[in-house]
Amino acid sequence: GAGVSQTPSNKVTEKGKYVELRCDPISGHTALYWYRQSLGQGPEFLIYFQGTGAADDSGLPNDRFFAVRPEGSVSTLKIQRTERGDSAVYLCASSLDRAGSSTDTQYFGPGTRLTVL
Amino acid sequence: AQKVTQAQTEISVVEKEDVTLDCVYETRDTTYYLFWYKQPPSGELVFLIRRNSFDEQNEISGRYSWNFQKSTSSFNFTITASQVVDSAVYFCALSKAGANSKLTFGKGITLSVRP
Repeated sequence: GAGVSQTPSNKVTEKGKYVELRCDPISGHTALYWYRQSLGQGPEFLIYFQGTGAADDSGLPNDRFFAVRPEGSVSTLKIQRTERGDSAVYLCASSLDRAGSSTDTQYFGPGTRLTVL
Repeated sequence: AQKVTQAQTEISVVEKEDVTLDCVYETRDTTYYLFWYKQPPSGELVFLIRRNSFDEQNEISGRYSWNFQKSTSSFNFTITASQVVDSAVYFCALSKAGANSKLTFGKGITLSVRP
């Protein structure tokens, strides 16, 4: 079946602009995660959705970052007033999160490479 | 707080050599999960294995094997008879058990397999 998809694959923007990054999870996966990967580093957690609600947004670096998942499927990560330091690969992952399951495996999308000039 | 340390940053081997990638973790949880992911040059993270903290049996899948030792908080990954296609960045990751299973990743190990 189809995996996690992310669009766009690349985004170049200017400092101060607003960007939206989209994630389409695996069909039926109720849990969705956003991570950010800087060059030479491992991915770092940003936010976790269970269904439509953001259950954990402790990884968002500041209030310029916001994410939504209005219908419990597709999610959009929104970054306002972008800064050069926001340049990174933004990864989305989804998992089944079956009721009663202790931990389900996260499957990752190909990422969006964001470059802020 | 959880932490994953991958002390090796880059490893280079010749094809057919065996190679072990080290992973050491820290957690105060009694129940947790450990993972390995592969990130080839294309960039997509590929899931390799998941292991829970109660299962210390070693696992083998083809040329891949994993050694989980709770006593040393390590979860090492061995590739036997490496191939050029194994060249990638390998990440070890840790999560709590439960619904919010956000992953804590190590910095990754870049493996280069030369023909």
